[in-house]
Amino acid sequence: DVKVTQSSRYLVKRTGEKVFLECVQDMDHENMFWYRQDPGLGLRLIYFSYDVKMKEKGDIPEGYSVSREKKERFSLILESASTNQTSMYLCASSRRPGQGASEAFFGQGTRLTVV
Amino acid sequence: EDQVTQSPEALRLQEGESSSLNCSYTVSGLRGLFWYRQDPGKGPEFLFTLYSAGEEKEKERLKATLTKKESFLHITAPKPEDSATYLCAVQAMGSTLGRLYFGRGTQLTVWP
Repeated sequence: DVKVTQSSRYLVKRTGEKVFLECVQDMDHENMFWYRQDPGLGLRLIYFSYDVKMKEKGDIPEGYSVSREKKERFSLILESASTNQTSMYLCASSRRPGQGASEAFFGQGTRLTVV
Repeated sequence: EDQVTQSPEALRLQEGESSSLNCSYTVSGLRGLFWYRQDPGKGPEFLFTLYSAGEEKEKERLKATLTKKESFLHITAPKPEDSATYLCAVQAMGSTLGRLYFGRGTQLTVWP
C-alpha cells in the first residue's frame, strides 16, 4: 500500500514564526503536492513538485515556499506564519502520468493553527 | 480552464435510501476522473479511477459511472458508516505533469 506520512497531525504556531511541514512517501512517486483545505473552499493547490529540486506554483503560492532535496520528501515552508494560514494542510504523491491516469494518494493531514 | 463542479453540496439520506452524487467537468481531453472519500479531520482516501465514457467501477455499496461531461457516484442502500465527504477530481490529457483538479465535494450524511 502507498503510504504518505506527514510529520505532525496538529501544530500550533505563533504569528511571524517560520513553520516547516514535512511529508514523506514510500512509493517512489515522481510527483508530490501540497494543498490546503478550508471549509467551503475545497482543496487548493499551493505547490507541486515533479522531480527532485523541481517545483511549480499552484493556485495560492503566496506566503509559502517548498523544498524537495530527496525524491521521497517534500517540505512546505511558511516563511512568516500569519493567522490567515490557519488551515488543514494535505500532502499527496502520484506517479507522473504515462499512458494512463495517475491517481494521487494523500497523507493524514496537518491541522495548523496560527495564534 | 479545467473545472470540476460537484452537486449537491450536502446530502442527507436515511439508511437504505439510495441516491447519486454528481460531478460535472470541463477539461480539454480527459486522462482520468477520480473519486475520493474523506472522513472529518483526515486526508482523502482514493476510491476509483474512470478513464472513458461508459466505464463503471464498483466497491461495496458504491458504483461510479462516467459520461463525456459528468460522473455519478451511486450509493445503494447506504449505511451510517458511508457518511463522509466525497471528492471528485480530473486529470487532463494535456497535463504532462499530472496535476489534478478537484471539486469542492459533497458532504453525505446517512442517519439510522
